[in-house]
Amino acid sequence: DVKVTQSSRYLVKRTGEKVFLECVQDMDHENMFWYRQDPGLGLRLIYFSYDVKMKEKGDIPEGYSVSREKKERFSLILESASTNQTSMYLCASSLTLSGRATDYEQYFGPGTRLTVT
Amino acid sequence: ELKVEQNPLFLSMQEGKNYTIYCNYSTTSDRLYWYRQDPGKSLESLFVLLSNGAVKQEGRLMASLDTKARLSTLHITAAVHDLSATYFCAVDVYGNKLVFGAGTILRVKS
Repeated sequence: DVKVTQSSRYLVKRTGEKVFLECVQDMDHENMFWYRQDPGLGLRLIYFSYDVKMKEKGDIPEGYSVSREKKERFSLILESASTNQTSMYLCASSLTLSGRATDYEQYFGPGTRLTVT
Repeated sequence: ELKVEQNPLFLSMQEGKNYTIYCNYSTTSDRLYWYRQDPGKSLESLFVLLSNGAVKQEGRLMASLDTKARLSTLHITAAVHDLSATYFCAVDVYGNKLVFGAGTILRVKS
């Protein structure tokens, strides 16, 4: 089974702090994604990565950055946390884009609920 | 910009009843996913629909995809309390980027 883990389930930070959210997958997936989930809005893509050191902006990248130094690990960074970044953050991974269509399926981690006060 | 609309956003139904959740999307795609989320939990994959006319069934849930109408449905048959959860559809656009609907909160009352 695919396992996607996230470093914290709950996190409380102060406005202006630098925040790191870590995600690790153990199935040698090429692609990794960061989403935020807010009530009534579903999930929105922040950033994604197709390969080590590769990253692309999603729909709402402002205020965030990412790092992928190793294939299994994808970090989301809030350079200076603000209260409007209080949300649930979900990491996901998928196998590849060059195989069968079923390889595109994304598997999600348990989520990190971040509160910025 | 791709838009994905789910309706209804909230559904309260009695056990034993049938109902359908609709997922409309605004641009061409032939990959659509349905996920389930329990309170405080992550997303669990329910169905992967990869072509026009695809139909998948698992227990009391059946999902279908009509790419020409840009519509997917999730049909619930004889609902039971254990199906209470939030259900999301997600459309896969170029590059494996998913665009999610807002989610349908389902509550099954006994």
